[in-house]
Amino acid sequence: QSVLTQPPSVSGAPGQRVTISCTGSSSNIGAGYDVHWYQQLPGTAPKLLIYGNSNRPSGVPDRFSGSKSGTSASLAISGLQAEDEADYYCQSYDSSLSVYVVFGGGTKLTVL
Amino acid sequence: QVTLRESGPALVKPTQTLTLTCTFSGFSLSTSGMCVSWIRQPPGKALEWLALIDWDDDKYYSTSLKTRLTISKDTSKNQVVLTMTNMDPVDTATYYCARTMGGAVASFDYWGQGTLVTVSS
Repeated sequence: QSVLTQPPSVSGAPGQRVTISCTGSSSNIGAGYDVHWYQQLPGTAPKLLIYGNSNRPSGVPDRFSGSKSGTSASLAISGLQAEDEADYYCQSYDSSLSVYVVFGGGTKLTVL
Repeated sequence: QVTLRESGPALVKPTQTLTLTCTFSGFSLSTSGMCVSWIRQPPGKALEWLALIDWDDDKYYSTSLKTRLTISKDTSKNQVVLTMTNMDPVDTATYYCARTMGGAVASFDYWGQGTLVTVSS
């Protein structure tokens, strides 16, 4: 059971917009710690998609955006493309019981 | 450019100790703010953070695995080593090393390709 909660799956048709939520608590996201997002294509290592809640590394399309409010964060993907089909993970820091780095359970995005 | 590569045994027996090495290039672990973590992913399951070592040789461990883990670095060789004792079949996973700049609150900007470790007799 992950400290950060994500929906197991989301889906959308090409061109549509989808959002993936990441719900935490007062000891992680709600405490003000940054949320980061990763994309993991099948059989590959995770790739940093969003850092510091809403920043995109160089090379990440602006179709990907992140936001944070209260104890939750969201990843939005607009203009869905077939190549976006992947697993997505959120990550933050937790200050309780010395947990340190925490990940969400991951969300499988299916492009219909 | 920054690269990381994990190496170690593909198969270990239950109760044995696993030793994994992360060899990296393109940055120095003696640079202020630089850190390397180990993260694992059981087949079909989520990512799980294991341990972090920083430029100042401070070490942080997952609470649930703390008693079994040791992380260390060799700055001259650009390597970070993770040992995990008393391996069990539930420890079967792909093990990744990844870089962060800024400690445990920061993002993992570069990852190794991962190494699959199977625990079986």
